[in-house]
Amino acid sequence: AAGVIQSPRHLIKEKRETATLKCYPIPRHDTVYWYQQGPGQDPQFLISFYEKMQSDKGSIPDRFSAQQFSDYHSELNMSSLELGDSALYFCASSSGRRNTGELFFGEGSRLTVL
Amino acid sequence: AQKVTQAQTEISVVEKEDVTLDCVYETRDTTYYLFWYKQPPSGELVFLIRRNSFDEQNEISGRYSWNFQKSTSSFNFTITASQVVDSAVYFCALHASGGSYIPTFGRGTSLIVHP
Repeated sequence: AAGVIQSPRHLIKEKRETATLKCYPIPRHDTVYWYQQGPGQDPQFLISFYEKMQSDKGSIPDRFSAQQFSDYHSELNMSSLELGDSALYFCASSSGRRNTGELFFGEGSRLTVL
Repeated sequence: AQKVTQAQTEISVVEKEDVTLDCVYETRDTTYYLFWYKQPPSGELVFLIRRNSFDEQNEISGRYSWNFQKSTSSFNFTITASQVVDSAVYFCALHASGGSYIPTFGRGTSLIVHP
């Protein structure tokens, strides 16, 4: 069965550069979540989208933005990258806005900022 | 506010030992859902189990079992006869209406199973 696809899997950037991460949810899933997981840390919720609209916002920095497109894929745009942005970025998808079931996670995009 | 505490940062066992991973949660909601996810070295979080707040029955699935106790706000996870393939980071998570059903994760417990 198709899972959540994230790209790129690995990304290396310099400070102050920009980066874009992409997430393709499971087919027919209409909700996408973005999480940031620093080294040895728990996943921190950044932002979520339902039916192409932002539904909830977590600890996403102002330097980051995201959107969900008509085909339900989502992109996380990160600008003015800082060393502290180095982390594993997870995308997860589910069906329905107020999800009480499990999330389906992608394998993550590992961002390294030098 | 929602909070999940996994006090054990790392557990190291030898194959075939039983191991219990602790999870304590905090929420003011009466309806909530608890989860365990496994994160193997490949990185992807894999769903293991979901429990709602109205169902305190313990569950067993093969070598895995879960003990949900509302009285102590705990949802502990036991692996019986551990195997090397069980080595991973395990996360406990909470969904509750007070948190808009956005999953709140604990810090994770790294389980290392030695041959």
